[in-house]
Amino acid sequence: ETGVTQTPRHLVMGMTNKKSLKCEQHLGHNAMYWYKQSAKKPLELMFVYSLEERVENNSVPSRFSPECPNSSHLFLHLHTLQPEDSALYLCASSQWTTRTGTESYSNQPQHFGDGTRLSIL
Amino acid sequence: GIQVEQSPPDLILQEGANSTLRCNFSDSVNNLQWFHQNPWGQLINLFYIPSGTKQNGRLSATTVATERYSLLYISSSQTTDSGVYFCAVGLTGGGNKLTFGTGTQLKVEL
Repeated sequence: ETGVTQTPRHLVMGMTNKKSLKCEQHLGHNAMYWYKQSAKKPLELMFVYSLEERVENNSVPSRFSPECPNSSHLFLHLHTLQPEDSALYLCASSQWTTRTGTESYSNQPQHFGDGTRLSIL
Repeated sequence: GIQVEQSPPDLILQEGANSTLRCNFSDSVNNLQWFHQNPWGQLINLFYIPSGTKQNGRLSATTVATERYSLLYISSSQTTDSGVYFCAVGLTGGGNKLTFGTGTQLKVEL
């Protein structure tokens, strides 16, 4: 039990479908992340939310739309996906602290959910 | 961007053997984590180790931040240790982003 829960665990969808991935964290963290892991590739960061504000968007196509309604929940809305979007999608959370008046950050470990394995037909 | 290289890319061990996995990174970091991804895709936190040495059972890790590398030691390996081991680093001043290495695929055989 990692404290980060992702649903569904597996998803098969057609290219014209619309679906959403859900992530919930029970660790009291204030930052949440979406990562993509394609076959034979390292994990790639997609989006970062800190205090429910998107602070990072790594040039992800607009067919992926994140939503963070509060610090415990994160969604990834999917529409008109392509076959190359088939991958394992992992959610993570961490505590992100910035020191007032500086640009320094207090980095804390990220905790990952079990992932959603997505297949696009 | 920061480069994270892991070696070896693949490793096969007999049960009971010891091994050392290496992670080299190209810039100053203030976050370094080691993960084990099991065959079901679950990513398990092993160590949060931006510097120094830590031990947890048969596993230990050492990061020498000034020389930009980290080592993961696995002693008395077991078949359940099989999977992919990832090193991930956070760049100093880079917010809380993690950049992952390409991983070491480990197989432990009886």
